[in-house]
Amino acid sequence: GNSVTQMEGPVTLSEEAFLTINCTYTATGYPSLFWYVQYPGEGLQLLLKATKADDKGSNKGFEATYRKETTSFHLEKGSVQVSDSAVYFCALSDPGQNFVFGPGTRLSVLP
Amino acid sequence: DGGITQSPKYLFRKEGQNVTLSCEQNLNHDAMYWYRQDPGQGLRLIYYSQIVNDFQKGDIAEGYSVSREKKESFPLTVTSAQKNPTAFYLCATRRDSRLANEKLFFGSGTQLSVL
Repeated sequence: GNSVTQMEGPVTLSEEAFLTINCTYTATGYPSLFWYVQYPGEGLQLLLKATKADDKGSNKGFEATYRKETTSFHLEKGSVQVSDSAVYFCALSDPGQNFVFGPGTRLSVLP
Repeated sequence: DGGITQSPKYLFRKEGQNVTLSCEQNLNHDAMYWYRQDPGQGLRLIYYSQIVNDFQKGDIAEGYSVSREKKESFPLTVTSAQKNPTAFYLCATRRDSRLANEKLFFGSGTQLSVL
């Protein structure tokens, strides 16, 4: 079945550092890929998505590129802020199937 | 204001008690979902419904029940059979579950604790 693997956290960075959170997936079809963000005590919000190979999703300075050859969708940001501290979830969706989420990666950004 | 409303924000359950978590949406989405999130953990699917008057078990349905009598509403009952109910419960909707690129929309969650 489909699955998503994310790098183990927590990840702790200083403000303005470069961020990478790795995400790899296994899927039988042609899934769409998503990154969601969850702030403390809240629900998940869509951060970005990509629907086909080589697509790049971007939002609020975050980017991720759909790499079919490496089955990856790594999240990157050039300069993190304290306000980026949250839990980040990688997810995939195949047509007609439910979402599959990774375990989440907690990011803490220190001033 | 369109969105998903979960209530209450915090809920306490006594031993042997059933409790119901509310989820209402005005997005006109067909599909609705309930997820459970334990501290520091990912999301686990409890139940989902793709259409009114129909629902399916997810990965951890034991000890839970749902109904879908209206498109807008998908309440979750945590029964006394659920021995470890303390968790953060998230309701989500999706416009069309047949399409891979349709995103999930999430409510703000209900924190359930056992007294």
